[in-house]
Amino acid sequence: AQSVTQLDSHVSVSEGTPVLLRCNYSSSYSPSLFWYVQHPNKGLQLLLKYTSAATLVKGINGFEAEFKKSETSFHLTKPSAHMSDAAEYFCVVSRLGAGGFKTIFGAGTRLFVKA
Amino acid sequence: DTAVSQTPKYLVTQMGNDKSIKCEQNLGHDTMYWYKQDSKKFLKIMFSYNNKELIINETVPNRFSPKSPDKAHLNLHINSLELGDSAVYFCASSQEWGESGYTFGSGTRLTVV
Repeated sequence: AQSVTQLDSHVSVSEGTPVLLRCNYSSSYSPSLFWYVQHPNKGLQLLLKYTSAATLVKGINGFEAEFKKSETSFHLTKPSAHMSDAAEYFCVVSRLGAGGFKTIFGAGTRLFVKA
Repeated sequence: DTAVSQTPKYLVTQMGNDKSIKCEQNLGHDTMYWYKQDSKKFLKIMFSYNNKELIINETVPNRFSPKSPDKAHLNLHINSLELGDSAVYFCASSQEWGESGYTFGSGTRLTVV
């Protein structure tokens, strides 16, 4: 079975402080992992993806995520939050199985950035 | 240029009506998808087409019918609309099926009254 859990439904940070959005996954096989961002009334935009290459993945807008197999985690981080980072973030796991590709979206984490 | 475009952006209609949402991608991608996002932001796949062929058809009422006239288009037709169909519907595309990440459209907010 395959699933993805975003551990926080809401995260609030002050502008200029670090961001940590947590994601744990379960997958019987090596998955591909993604983070997407959704700004209000917009579609989802791919931030970064892990597909079995380097475990530390750098994405757009200063975000990065580290794949930790031993912890089955793929947390999203950014050293310094900006007001424009306020949005909904989705962790996604995808893998190829007997029935084809299966992609599961997490429930999302809403990031609030305070001035 | 918009990579994945959906029309209309907003759709308000009465119960029982039939409506369509159109999607086009100009990225040359092989695979297209329809996702439904509910009021709690939960995203659930509905359909996936690869090179105009249906490859994923999740448990969706048969009132929903996708149509892919060519690789660049995937339209969604909904018959006999119900209140519970109200949601935001997202079209997406990817270069390959599953691993390459999606490019999403900006969504169609459907409200059934």
